[in-house]
Amino acid sequence: NAGVTQTPKFQVLKTGQSMTLQCAQDMNHEYMSWYRQDPGMGLRLIHYSVGAGITDQGEVPNGYNVSRSTTEDFPLRLLSAAPSQTSVYFCASSLRGEQYFGPGTRLTVT
Amino acid sequence: EDQVTQSPEALRLQEGESSSLNCSYTVSGLRGLFWYRQDPGKGPEFLFTLYSAGEEKEKERLKATLTKKESFLHITAPKPEDSATYLCAVRTSGSRLTFGEGTQLTVNP
Repeated sequence: NAGVTQTPKFQVLKTGQSMTLQCAQDMNHEYMSWYRQDPGMGLRLIHYSVGAGITDQGEVPNGYNVSRSTTEDFPLRLLSAAPSQTSVYFCASSLRGEQYFGPGTRLTVT
Repeated sequence: EDQVTQSPEALRLQEGESSSLNCSYTVSGLRGLFWYRQDPGKGPEFLFTLYSAGEEKEKERLKATLTKKESFLHITAPKPEDSATYLCAVRTSGSRLTFGEGTQLTVNP
């Protein structure tokens, strides 16, 4: 199993640009989530999904959209990037509470 | 609102010098406390889940314990490869986790 995969590993955007961070898992987990990690702030939940077709907001959802059309994929969309969205983004999946994380995407918005 | 506080923020040990990391929590209905290890530039790696006060879990030089208000991660005779940031998280409903800010551990040879 590849576990949780994320692409790209690094990305630089200009303010106002849009992009999609990709996340996929091959463990057949129902629950998937997106976090951002910033120095001094810890991991903060952006959006999560409890199964295909079901998504909900986390702690810091503004500026981000998600969809879940399949069990395997959970992309995160930035509609109009802002410098405040410069961060490291982690995707995770879970079956019974223990979440397994991907390697992360380091995003810089200039 | 669920709160998780980890201390200390940073800890520097000599190889072989045992110590403990603390995770204190305020939640309404704990459904699991989780410990993760995170190496620089990588995603968090799952270590342990604890569900009830008095429970203990061990893995190599690490032992996690749980009380009604806090959890400890005991590190016995650490080695330099144990250097990492250790994260604590609590689950109160569904699968959502609330994370602490972590303890950055450095073990010097």
